[in-house]
Amino acid sequence: GDSVTQMEGPVTLSEEAFLTINCTYTATGYPSLFWYVQYPGEGLQLLLKATKADDKGSNKGFEATYRKETTSFHLEKGSVQVSDSAVYFCALSEIQGAQKLVFGQGTRLTINP
Amino acid sequence: DAGVIQSPRHEVTEMGQEVTLRCKPISGHDYLFWYRQTMMRGLELLIYFNNNVPIDDSGMPEDRFSAKMPNASFSTLKIQPSEPRDSAVYFCASSFLGRGMNTEAFFGQGTRLTVV
Repeated sequence: GDSVTQMEGPVTLSEEAFLTINCTYTATGYPSLFWYVQYPGEGLQLLLKATKADDKGSNKGFEATYRKETTSFHLEKGSVQVSDSAVYFCALSEIQGAQKLVFGQGTRLTINP
Repeated sequence: DAGVIQSPRHEVTEMGQEVTLRCKPISGHDYLFWYRQTMMRGLELLIYFNNNVPIDDSGMPEDRFSAKMPNASFSTLKIQPSEPRDSAVYFCASSFLGRGMNTEAFFGQGTRLTVV
C-alpha cells in the first residue's frame, strides 16, 4: 500500500538556521503531496502542496519540490523562526477528488532563540 | 466560516462506557474524514464519507467503533464499549471536490480521549 516516510525527530535548531525535513513516499499511481503543520493543542493545517512532478509548493518561507525520480518531497526553509516550532507531517493523497491522506509519522521541530 | 468544529475537546471516561465524538464540517464540503492520532501509530484514517455516505471504513479498528453522518452538517464517531487502548486524539476533517482536483482538507482541533 501507499506509505510516507519522514526524517526521524525531534529536530532542534537555532533561530535563522536552515531547515530540511526529509520525506519520501511509496505510491502505485501519481499522488498529490502535502506538508501539514500541527501547532501545540491545535489541529493540522495545510502548509503547502504539489499535485504533479516538478511542482514546487511554497508558503510562509517554506518550500518543497515534488521529485518523481527520487519519490521525495523534502521540506526546506532558509531561515527558521521560534514561531516555526511545531510538528510537521508529510502526506500523500492518491484518490482524485478526495483528500484520503496517508501521513508520515511526523517530525517535531523546536527552534531556540 | 468557523471551520471544522469538534466536540468535546477533551473526554475522560471509564473503560466499558460508551463515548460519542461529534463533528460539524465546513458548510458546502462534501467529504468528511475521521482520523486517529496516537504516539505509536501516528495519524490513521478511520473512515470517510462522501455526500453523507460512508465510502471507506477499512481503517475502523473493530466493531466497537461506528460512525454516522445523518446529514451534511453533522457526523458522530461512537466507541462502545471503550477500552484504554482507544485513548488518542481523534480528528475530523472536511474537504470538497473542486473542478475535479484534490482540494485542501481542513481539520478540526481534535478530541483528546482518555479511557481509564
